[in-house]
This record gives sequence, structure tokens and C-alpha cells, in this order.
Amino acid sequence: QITLKESGPTLVKPTQTLTLTCTFSGFSLSTTGVGVGWIRQPPGKALEWLALIYWNDDKRYSPSLKSRLTITKDTSKNQVVLTMTNMDPVDTATYYCAHGWSGSHNFDYWGQGTLVTVSS
Amino acid sequence: QTVVTQEPSLTVSPGGTVTLTCASSTGAVTSGYYPNWFQQKPGQAPRALIYSTSNRHSWTPARFSGSLLGGKAALTLSGVQPEDEAEYYCLLYYGGAQVFGGGTRLTVL
Repeated sequence: QITLKESGPTLVKPTQTLTLTCTFSGFSLSTTGVGVGWIRQPPGKALEWLALIYWNDDKRYSPSLKSRLTITKDTSKNQVVLTMTNMDPVDTATYYCAHGWSGSHNFDYWGQGTLVTVSS
Repeated sequence: QTVVTQEPSLTVSPGGTVTLTCASSTGAVTSGYYPNWFQQKPGQAPRALIYSTSNRHSWTPARFSGSLLGGKAALTLSGVQPEDEAEYYCLLYYGGAQVFGGGTRLTVL
């Protein structure tokens, strides 16, 4: 049974750096083909793909946010961490992590999401 | 910047059939874009429905089908149920990064 859960601060100030952790179970990020991605959704708006890390440490980023994002993995802890620098109120959103596959470029299992508000 | 376009909203009657589409600003969508489809209901995380154009996940009802249609990815719902009322998102692969569409709000009325 695959599960993922996002954790991190619910409130950050503008210009601060956001660090989110995705803790998962039911799979290993050392298994060939496996990936974990981050997706966000501002209130009332569409989903936005942010970043993805694969079992072989290959990392992919949204071109529009690449300069602000870093994704890393800790295979031994079953965790993936996303950092986003220079936070702004427009970054207020629910942030999701999801399990994916490199061969089919899909996300099948999703976490429940965590709402992050950016405000002074 | 790549834009993925979906119909903002569609309405269908219970028992009817409806097709949602997903277009890319870069040109025709092919299988190489590995189209994914997701369903999201209010207050819930997205749920995966279709991957690699037309493959259902084990939990996806058979009334959901994916295809390529006229240069776009398409999601067809046949025999629509009231519980299919939701927001639907497509996701396309661009050789590294991926991009979601703006979503289609499907009303069952």
C-alpha cells in the first residue's frame, strides 16, 4: 500500500525559504523507474507541476520556477524534500507530493496535500 | 512558455457521453506527450484516471477512456454518473518537465 504525506510550515513570510518534506511508504526510491514529484494548487486555481526526482537522482524542474526550486531525496528515510526560495504571497497554495514512474511519466498515488500561506 | 489548454467547463446529462480535450501550444499532442488525466473533487487531492494516453489505473472505472483526437488528448466519459461531477486535469510531458492543463469543470445535470 503506497502512501505519501507532506509536512512543513503552514505559514511563511515573504522572502523566506520554504522547506517541505514528503514522507512515503509502500515503495522505495531506489527502485528503478520510480520518481516522486511535487505539484501545487493555489486556492481555487489549477494544478501546477513543480519538480520531480527519480530513483537515479535525475532531477527535473518547472522552467518558470527552476531558479527557486531544489529537490532532494533521502532514500534511507523514505523522504523527498522540496525547497523554494524567495517566497511571495502568490506562492500561497496547497502543495502535493506524488509517486510516479519514469517510463510512463505519470503520477498514480498522491499525498493529501499541505496548505502553505505566504503572508507577513 | 508552454500552455496546455482544456475546456473551462462542460455540462452533461446523467447517462450521457462527454469528451474533454487537452491541447498543447507547441502543436499536435501525440503519444510521446504521455497524456495523463486526473479527477479532483472539492477538498480532495487529485485522483489519477488515465496514463500514457489510454491506460486506466486499476481503480479507474471502465466508463473513462483516453485517446488522441484531432491533435489533442481526449478523455471520454460514457454513461456519466452523478459522482463524475468534478474538475478534470490533463498533464503532458515535454521531454523533462511536465505541464498541467487549466482544468475542465464537469457538471452533471
